[in-house]
Amino acid sequence: NAGVTQTPKFQVLKTGQSMTLQCAQDMNHNSMYWYRQDPGMGLRLIYYSASEGTTDKGEVPNGYNVSRLNKREFSLRLESAAPSQTSVYFCASWGQFNEKLFFGSGTQLSVL
Amino acid sequence: EDQVTQSPEALRLQEGESSSLNCSYTVSGLRGLFWYRQDPGKGPEFLFTLYSAGEEKEKERLKATLTKKESFLHITAPKPEDSATYLCAGSTGGGNKLTFGTGTQLKVEL
Repeated sequence: NAGVTQTPKFQVLKTGQSMTLQCAQDMNHNSMYWYRQDPGMGLRLIYYSASEGTTDKGEVPNGYNVSRLNKREFSLRLESAAPSQTSVYFCASWGQFNEKLFFGSGTQLSVL
Repeated sequence: EDQVTQSPEALRLQEGESSSLNCSYTVSGLRGLFWYRQDPGKGPEFLFTLYSAGEEKEKERLKATLTKKESFLHITAPKPEDSATYLCAGSTGGGNKLTFGTGTQLKVEL
């Protein structure tokens, strides 16, 4: 039972480079989320997708774009990475029957 | 603005020394109050959801309680394996978005 799978686990970028973080869930969940976690700041919502075909901004969307590719997959794109985007990124999905967030194992991103 | 505040930021206990973690919230139209455990280098792992004041839930050495303004996570006779960061979050429905606190880092020593 894989749950929520994120790739890659680690990534180092140079300022201005672009990259896409991938996320997939195998629990048939409708809603998916991208959070970032920084020391002393807690988890902050970047974007979410309430259902396939919809996406909405969260608390800190600037500098990011998302794509809900299908019901399983929700990707996060950094078009021009900045040092302020150095963080740990978590993808999550919402279990509509047991009403809780399931998290992936995270991507540690460093932007130099 | 929805806000969740956890205290203390860090807590060091001896094995067997019981204590409580606090989570105070100002979340309009709270639908649920969540507790998660996070180990270093891993994603948060679900512990409890509380829905109404007075509700309590237990799991092994952990018990979560909820009032109208705050939640407590009581840890009874902790063991070293309980060492982790404990996160509290509030949900206001509408997309099931959770607002998280900054967490309490718990270390239990022998």
